[in-house]
Amino acid sequence: GQQVMQIPQYQHVQEGEDFTTYCNSSTTLSNIQWYKQRPGGHPVFLIQLVKSGEVKKQKRLTFQFGEAKKNSSLHITATQTTDVGTYFCAGRLNRGSTLGRLYFGRGTQLTVWP
Amino acid sequence: DAMVIQNPRYQVTQFGKPVTLSCSQTLNHNVMYWYQQKSSQAPKLLFHYYDKDFNNEADTPDNFQSRRPNTSFCFLDIRSPGLGDAAMYLCATSRDIGETQYFGPGTRLLVL
Repeated sequence: GQQVMQIPQYQHVQEGEDFTTYCNSSTTLSNIQWYKQRPGGHPVFLIQLVKSGEVKKQKRLTFQFGEAKKNSSLHITATQTTDVGTYFCAGRLNRGSTLGRLYFGRGTQLTVWP
Repeated sequence: DAMVIQNPRYQVTQFGKPVTLSCSQTLNHNVMYWYQQKSSQAPKLLFHYYDKDFNNEADTPDNFQSRRPNTSFCFLDIRSPGLGDAAMYLCATSRDIGETQYFGPGTRLLVL
């Protein structure tokens, strides 16, 4: 079964509006990573969160890791057309036979209307 | 300064005709991964190599095989491609398991 759930699957926003995508795991994560894939491109690493409750910012992007290390979010403030793409979270499980491997969420496809 | 290179970028094959996709890296990373990605879906891990150790995912069909002759190169062999195997195939590398993955540009496979 899918280890990391991500919602929403699609999000359409007007340029200037905010955007948030959420990831949730039933299992405690060792860390969570976020990737962006532009249309026709390949996933590109954005950031990694490791600590409980961690918050990191990259300009208009804010990444959060939940206190229980089971959920994470990516928030984009005042979206721009350059933000278009699919955002994937990828969680590393804390335990289990496949310790260490990343489990990708389904991704949130962001469309920004000018 | 490409770090993960995949060839070819586009591959057309016939139903049942074996095909090989290649990946090379200049990062000297220990781990190399092969993912299958279909339209509007997350990358699906097929298998990965940690150095020379091959790790297959439980739900990867036997039709898919891989070879890693050295640190830099890794190949994906599809023995008898079916129409359902048409997809983007992504190669990625990481220094260690669970660390940041660097993806290649992908090979888009079309099966006729």
